[in-house]
Amino acid sequence: GENVEQHPSTLSVQEGDSAVIKCTYSDSASNYFPWYKQELGKRPQLIIDIRSNVGEKKDQRIAVTLNKTAKHFSLHITETQPEDSAVYFCAASRGGNEKLTFGTGTRLTIIP
Amino acid sequence: GAVVSQHPSRVICKSGTSVKIECRSLDFQATTMFWYRQFPKQSLMLMATSNEGSKATYEQGVEKDKFLINHASLTLSTLTVTSAHPEDSSFYICSASGLATGHEQFFGPGTRLTVL
Repeated sequence: GENVEQHPSTLSVQEGDSAVIKCTYSDSASNYFPWYKQELGKRPQLIIDIRSNVGEKKDQRIAVTLNKTAKHFSLHITETQPEDSAVYFCAASRGGNEKLTFGTGTRLTIIP
Repeated sequence: GAVVSQHPSRVICKSGTSVKIECRSLDFQATTMFWYRQFPKQSLMLMATSNEGSKATYEQGVEKDKFLINHASLTLSTLTVTSAHPEDSSFYICSASGLATGHEQFFGPGTRLTVL
């Protein structure tokens, strides 16, 4: 089955700096890669996703890049703000109604 | 976006009892619902995939006789933790997807289960 690895497990950055979180996956049939933000005790919230037919997608301060050949994808957050502090999870799926396999999570702390 | 609810949000029960958790899609028909378990400071681990009207597909290592899943309608799935023990204490989260969501999964708010 699919295996998703995520690094780093914790990340602290100064407010205003950029944060990068990286994930690798094992199943070459995976074609859907969402990123979730989860605050303590809350549900995961989808913040951005990418499908295998594109290499990069951007939404304001958030961007995701995908390298299908190397089987890795990354989340980039620019101009970080205190409210970006949370746990971020990457995931991979074959799309459609197929299950998501989650990465191990990254605890991001923005230092004011 | 689509709305998914869960009930109850928190439950405390005694060891040996059973607990039922409901997951509802409020404004769309969910052909597929997923049940996850999340231990403190860990990731979401898929327990089972449930398609409306058919038996759930359980992930390896998840006991289907202990975690009973029913998906009797396109808007409701239930997870029953039978004979709960303290090690079953966890955050249980459902997600739902369907044609109307483009098969994107929308998550419920989660249920915090504490077994004494």
